[in-house]
Amino acid sequence: DTAVSQTPKYLVTQMGNDKSIKCEQNLGHDTMYWYKQDSKKFLKIMFSYNNKELIINETVPNRFSPKSPDKAHLNLHINSLELGDSAVYFCASRPRGSGANVLTFGAGSRLTVL
Amino acid sequence: AQSVTQLGSHVSVSEGALVLLRCNYSSSVPPYLFWYVQYPNQGLQLLLKYTTGATLVKGINGFEAEFKKSETSFHLTKPSAHMSDAAEYFCAVSSDNTDKLIFGTGTRLQVFP
Repeated sequence: DTAVSQTPKYLVTQMGNDKSIKCEQNLGHDTMYWYKQDSKKFLKIMFSYNNKELIINETVPNRFSPKSPDKAHLNLHINSLELGDSAVYFCASRPRGSGANVLTFGAGSRLTVL
Repeated sequence: AQSVTQLGSHVSVSEGALVLLRCNYSSSVPPYLFWYVQYPNQGLQLLLKYTTGATLVKGINGFEAEFKKSETSFHLTKPSAHMSDAAEYFCAVSSDNTDKLIFGTGTRLQVFP
């Protein structure tokens, strides 16, 4: 009964490849996020979607393309992977109108680019 | 713009000792403040939050934090550390008019027997 689930949990790939990370939440939340956590544990927001509509795009390279087929899913596709893309990517969600921004996070997807 | 500064990337305490993790924020609007905990190889879990009202906020696992507007601080405390408290702790800020949650750089808490 995982609330926010991400797949895969681990991903190792070569530079230049294209990969996707999937996220699903069963909480009925309207807003979903992607955060990137670098090797120093710094967490930075990448994207936010509200009911399939892009709300936040934080100057992320256009090699990163989020896709939200419905409000329960937010996938992250990365083209032409670079070494610097190695990180842990966290999906999160929150209910509409939750002004306090209490996010529920997934367990993370660790991407390693060789 | 909003930002968060966590003083001390590493904090070590003995089991049973007081835990104090420092967080200062910057915000041009009334802030919402949060502490999240990340156990190894896991996602983040909410420990506690401040939105409005009482400035001393109690969270899970015996943690609490106090919002001090005059000091722009939201330090996290626990009277007696337990081995299971060892984790990474993140302070975060948001507000009523933004969809963003801005995180600090985190503080790793180590607890020694």
